Amino acid sequence: GAGVSQSPSNKVTEKGKDVELRCDPISGHTALYWYRQSLGQGLEFLIYFQGNSAPDKSGLPSDRFSAERTGGSVSTLTIQRTQQEDSAVYLCASRAGRGTSGRNEQFFGPGTRLTVL
Amino acid sequence: AQSVTQLDSQVPVFEEAPVELRCNYSSSVSVYLFWYVQYPNQGLQLLLKYLSGSTLVESINGFEAEFNKSQTSFHLRKPSVHISDTAEYFCAVSGATSGTYKYIFGTGTRLKVLA
Repeated sequence: GAGVSQSPSNKVTEKGKDVELRCDPISGHTALYWYRQSLGQGLEFLIYFQGNSAPDKSGLPSDRFSAERTGGSVSTLTIQRTQQEDSAVYLCASRAGRGTSGRNEQFFGPGTRLTVL
Repeated sequence: AQSVTQLDSQVPVFEEAPVELRCNYSSSVSVYLFWYVQYPNQGLQLLLKYLSGSTLVESINGFEAEFNKSQTSFHLRKPSVHISDTAEYFCAVSGATSGTYKYIFGTGTRLKVLA
């Protein structure tokens, strides 16, 4: 009955390093989203996974960002050659329901706060 | 393209006073509307949602929101706030048509309840 979990909760890295952020969705949720939350800018959609379908990567800000979801469960967001503007809170959310309906609520993890020095 | 506007970035209010957090959306299609709340150092939690039917929806902790199609608004209200309501509130919209899965979020309103 656990909710969405994310790790690490905080990550401080140096500019130019690669980072991996992990998301464990609620068991049985087929839809998974990644968002970036910057101060005063709300939530920015990054990527969407639904079952075995090809992900919607339209929100990824550059080719330094990538994400994968293994076995339809755990997802990893990777940022290569981090820049200072990548500093933000990265939120993961999962949603129940097959198909693509937007009527079901999303369940959010606590986020990973990324700081790039 | 859909968009959500939360005009007030911060709203200070005294305890036991009423509050309204404004949300306007732009969409040419039918929508589902959501309010999420984010307490410090936590993820977002669903507060309430409008899918269809009655335009007034309520949460278990005294908040309510009214869907107004003509004004494309979904304002959140509470008649008497508590210190524990201090948090950031996000309005979100999702299209109600088949194949729609993206949620568009507003920039958030930080509610600060003062003693």
